Amino acid sequence: GQQLNQSPQSMFIQEGEDVSMNCTSSSIFNTWLWYKQDPGEGPVLLIALYKAGELTSNGRLTAQFGITRKDSFLNISASIPSDVGIYFCAGPNSGGYQKVTFGTGTKLQVIP
Amino acid sequence: DTAVSQTPKYLVTQMGNDKSIKCEQNLGHDTMYWYKQDSKKFLKIMFSYNNKELIINETVPNRFSPKSPDKAHLNLHINSLELGDSAVYFCASSWRGQYQPQHFGDGTRLSIL
Repeated sequence: GQQLNQSPQSMFIQEGEDVSMNCTSSSIFNTWLWYKQDPGEGPVLLIALYKAGELTSNGRLTAQFGITRKDSFLNISASIPSDVGIYFCAGPNSGGYQKVTFGTGTKLQVIP
Repeated sequence: DTAVSQTPKYLVTQMGNDKSIKCEQNLGHDTMYWYKQDSKKFLKIMFSYNNKELIINETVPNRFSPKSPDKAHLNLHINSLELGDSAVYFCASSWRGQYQPQHFGDGTRLSIL
C-alpha cells in the first residue's frame, strides 16, 4: 500500500529557530494535508495543498506541494514553545476515495 | 463548542471485557471515521461511515464493530478485548469527498490490563 515517510523522525530546536520537515511518498498524491497533534489531543489541520508546486502559508507555517507530486515540505519560522507536538503529513489513498494515509510523523521539541 | 467529542477520554479495563466508545460531531459533516494510533504514534484508519452507511472497513478484527445511528454519531464497540488493543482511538469527521480535510476528536486512551 501507499506509504508516507516523514523526516526527520524527531527534532530538538532552540526557540526562535526555523524548522524544516518533509514528507515523501512512493506514489503520486493529488492533495497534501499537514496536521499537528498537541500532546493529549487529536490532530488539527494546519494547511491543505491541492496543486503541484503550490506554496501556502498559515502564519509562521509555510507548506509546499512538491512538483513531482511525491513529496511535500513544511517550514516553521521563528519557532515558539507552543510549536511542540507531532506534525503529520497526509493524503488521499488511491485504494479508496475516502481513505487518507497519514505519514509517520515528525516530533518537534522546542527548547525555550 | 467542541466540534468532535468522544467519550470516554480514558478507558482502563481487563482483558476479555467488552467496551464501547462514543463519538458525536456538531459540524454537520456527512462522513465519520475511526482511527487507531499505536504507541509509535502511527495513525491508521479503521472504519468510515457516510450518512450511516459503512464505506471503509479496513482489515480490523471482527471484534470491532462500528455503529452509526445517524450521521452525527459513530460508536465503536469492542468485544473480548486483548492486550494489543491498547492504543488511542480517534474519531474524525469530514464532508464526503476525496480531498476533504478531517476534523478529529481528542481521542480515547484505551488501556488493557
